[in-house]
Amino acid sequence: GENVEQHPSTLSVQEGDSAVIKCTYSDSASNYFPWYKQELGKRPQLIIDIRSNVGEKKDQRIAVTLNKTAKHFSLHITETQPEDSAVYFCAAGTGANSKLTFGKGITLSVRP
Amino acid sequence: DAGVIQSPRHEVTEMGQEVTLRCKPISGHNSLFWYRQTMMRGLELLIYFNNNVPIDDSGMPEDRFSAKMPNASFSTLKIQPSEPRDSAVYFCASRLGTVNTEAFFGQGTRLTVV
Repeated sequence: GENVEQHPSTLSVQEGDSAVIKCTYSDSASNYFPWYKQELGKRPQLIIDIRSNVGEKKDQRIAVTLNKTAKHFSLHITETQPEDSAVYFCAAGTGANSKLTFGKGITLSVRP
Repeated sequence: DAGVIQSPRHEVTEMGQEVTLRCKPISGHNSLFWYRQTMMRGLELLIYFNNNVPIDDSGMPEDRFSAKMPNASFSTLKIQPSEPRDSAVYFCASRLGTVNTEAFFGQGTRLTVV
């Protein structure tokens, strides 16, 4: 089955700096890669996703890149703000009606 | 739509007792997932259903865990008997399974087994 890994488990950046979070996946059939943000005590919520037919997608301060050959994808957050502090999960899925396999999550701390 | 609704929000029970967690997916969604979240293991997929049928239950840790989806608007996750190591936050999520798109999470049930 699919195995999604995130490293490191924690990341600390200074406010205003950029943050990059990386994930790898194992199943070459995976074609859908969402990123979820979970604030303390709340549910995970989708912030951006990408499908395997594109290599990059951007939405304001966040962007996701996908390298299918290397089986890794990354979340990029520019001009970080304290409210970006949260746990970020990446996931992979193989298509409609498929399961979503999540990584273990990375805790991002933005220092004011 | 009110989103995915889970109940109860918090559950404290004694070891050995039966625990039942409930989930109402978003109307029209035909895929439903049960996840367990712990600090050590992150978000683990326990089981998922498509059109009320269990597709993959390989993540269910033991026979003490069981899940049902009797209709498109309701699912349960049962633990019998419960153990302290089952303490975690349990999330239900639903998705429109006919398209490759996001899963929406409920607010979760925080289970504490003492």
